[in-house]
Amino acid sequence: AQSVAQPEDQVNVAEGNPLTVKCTYSVSGNPYLFWYVQYPNRGLQFLLKYITGDNLVKGSYGFEAEFNKSQTSFHLKKPSALVSDSALYFCAVRDSGWGGTGFQKLVFGTGTRLLVSP
Amino acid sequence: NAGVTQTPKFQVLKTGQSMTLQCAQDMNHNSMYWYRQDPGMGLRLIYYSASEGTTDKGEVPNGYNVSRLNKREFSLRLESAAPSQTSVYFCASSEALGTDEQYFGPGTRLTVT
Repeated sequence: AQSVAQPEDQVNVAEGNPLTVKCTYSVSGNPYLFWYVQYPNRGLQFLLKYITGDNLVKGSYGFEAEFNKSQTSFHLKKPSALVSDSALYFCAVRDSGWGGTGFQKLVFGTGTRLLVSP
Repeated sequence: NAGVTQTPKFQVLKTGQSMTLQCAQDMNHNSMYWYRQDPGMGLRLIYYSASEGTTDKGEVPNGYNVSRLNKREFSLRLESAAPSQTSVYFCASSEALGTDEQYFGPGTRLTVT
C-alpha cells in the first residue's frame, strides 16, 4: 500500500531565508508525487509534480522539489521565503501501477503548516 | 472560467437528516473526486468517478452515495447524517486518472449535531 509522511507539523522560517518542507513516501512501484498548498478557508492548489525525468521539478510561485529515489523523499524547497507563502502544504503520492483493484488513489500526507515571519 | 464550484459553503445538520453536496466543473475534465478533510488526517478519498457514467468507492465510502449527473456535475449524498461525518468536504477534478493534477473546489464545511 502506498503512504506518505510529512514529519513536521509546522515549519518556521524568516522572510528571505530558504525554506524546506519535508516529505517521504512509500510505494510498491514507481511514484507519482505532488505538492499542493492550502490557504485558509480555501481548497488545495496544485504546486508541482514529479512523474518521470529530471529529479528537480520546478513549480508555481518559485517553489521546486527534488525527487530522491534512494531516500524515497520529495522535499519542497524555495530559495527565499515570502510572508505570503504562509499556508498549509500537502505532499501526495500515487503508485504508477494499477494494482489488483484498478485505480491507485492519490494518498495525501497530513500537511505541514509553513509560517514565514517578517 | 470558474474552475470547480461547490454548494453549499456551510451546512449544519441534525443527526439522521439527509443532504446533498453539489459540485460542478467547467474545465471539461473526465475525472471527479470527493474528499473529506479532518484535522491531523490529511485528505481521504470518499468516492471518485473516472469518467461520465462511472463511480467507484474510495477509502472511506460508508455513509455516502454519489451521482455523476453528467460530465460537469458530481454530487455527494449523506442519507442519514452522523456526528462522525462532521468534516470539510472537497470536490476535485482532473483531466483523467493517473498523472494529472487535481483541481479543488473551495470546500463545504459540514457540522452534524
